Parts: sequence; C-alpha cells; structure tokens
Amino acid sequence: SQQGEEDPQALSIQEGENATMNCSYKTSINNLQWYRQNSGRGLVHLILIRSNEREKHSGRLRVTLDTSKKSSSLLITASRAADTASYFCATDARQAGTALIFGKGTTLSVSS
Amino acid sequence: EADIYQTPRYLVIGTGKKITLECSQTMGHDKMYWYQQDPGMELHLIHYSYGVNSTEKGDLSSESTVSRIRTEHFPLTLESARPSHTSQYLCASSEWSGGSNEQFFGPGTRLTVL
Repeated sequence: SQQGEEDPQALSIQEGENATMNCSYKTSINNLQWYRQNSGRGLVHLILIRSNEREKHSGRLRVTLDTSKKSSSLLITASRAADTASYFCATDARQAGTALIFGKGTTLSVSS
Repeated sequence: EADIYQTPRYLVIGTGKKITLECSQTMGHDKMYWYQQDPGMELHLIHYSYGVNSTEKGDLSSESTVSRIRTEHFPLTLESARPSHTSQYLCASSEWSGGSNEQFFGPGTRLTVL
C-alpha cells in the first residue's frame, strides 16, 4: 500500500495566493522529502525535513512535520505561474538511506 | 541541473520488440532506481541498485530487467514489449550523506508500445 497520500489531489489558485498541500504517511520515517514535477519531466527535490524537526523553510517554501499525526504540509507563499506543477511527498520508511516511497501527488495550477 | 541522463526521451515501438532504456549519472552515486509512472499518477519503484552487481526488484512487479555493471550506468531492458508497458520510466540516483537520501532524477523516457 502507498506510504504517502497527498491532499488535495488538485489545487487551483491565483498568482500571489498561498498554496498548501498535505501529506499523510503510515509508518515511522527517518525523513520526509517534497519533490516537484513539471509536466512530463523528472522530479526535482525541493526540501527535506528530518523526523526530529518540526518546521523548515527554504525561500518561499515552508514545510511542517507532525510525527504524532504522521503528516506533513508544504506551503508555497506568494505563488507564481511557474509554480504550476505536481508536488509529491516521499518517505524513506524502509530504512535509512534506501529507496523512497512516493505519494500520489498534488497537481497545482497557478493562473495569472 | 542534475547530472543524470536518460535516452531515448521518447520511444514508439511495436509489440514484441526488445528495447533498452539507458540511464547514466556522473555524480558517482552508489544507489540508482527505476520508477514507472503513468500520466497524472504516482511513481512506482520497479528496480533499484545499491552498487555494482547489486540489483533488486521494487514494489511494482515488472517484466523488465536491469543490470549494474558500472557505477554510472543502470540500463533497463524489456525483452518483448507489450502495450501494457506503455508508460513513463524515470531513472534516479542518490547517495546517503549527512542523513539525507535526496534523489536526483533524469528527464524520463516516455514509452509507447503499439
């Protein structure tokens, strides 16, 4: 069964608005990562948060992690049309340093 | 930009053909992965390797095979392609470092089997 589940499946917003995506997972993790995928391309790593961290920032990105609820959120502030993409969370639930398990992704559309 | 390459980017072939999807990386990473992804869907791990001469099957059963003779090269082969193999195939590599196993992805190969 899939480890990560993103919510919502699709999100449409206007430029300048904030976008929030959520991810839930089922088993203990060492870290959780977020990736972005532009249409038909490979994935690009955005940010990693370790299991002992609660919040992390990178530019316009803010990630939170709640290990008690087994959930994470990705906030993109002041969104731009270029942020239009699919966003996936990924966990390394198998064991540290091994293959990731990806969620189903959230498709974000930002219109100008 | 990640130094991981996949060829071809697009491939349209007939049923029964043997194909090899190429993946190479110049980062010296020990770990490499193949994922299968249908349009708008999640990634499914089909093969991975933790080093030369190491290959393992992933979560999704696949009729493809892989080899890892050199660190930088991780090709995927389909002996007899079928329409059910139509999908996007993504290759990735990583190195466990400083508590992170960030994966670097290639651009993908979009395969269509007629």
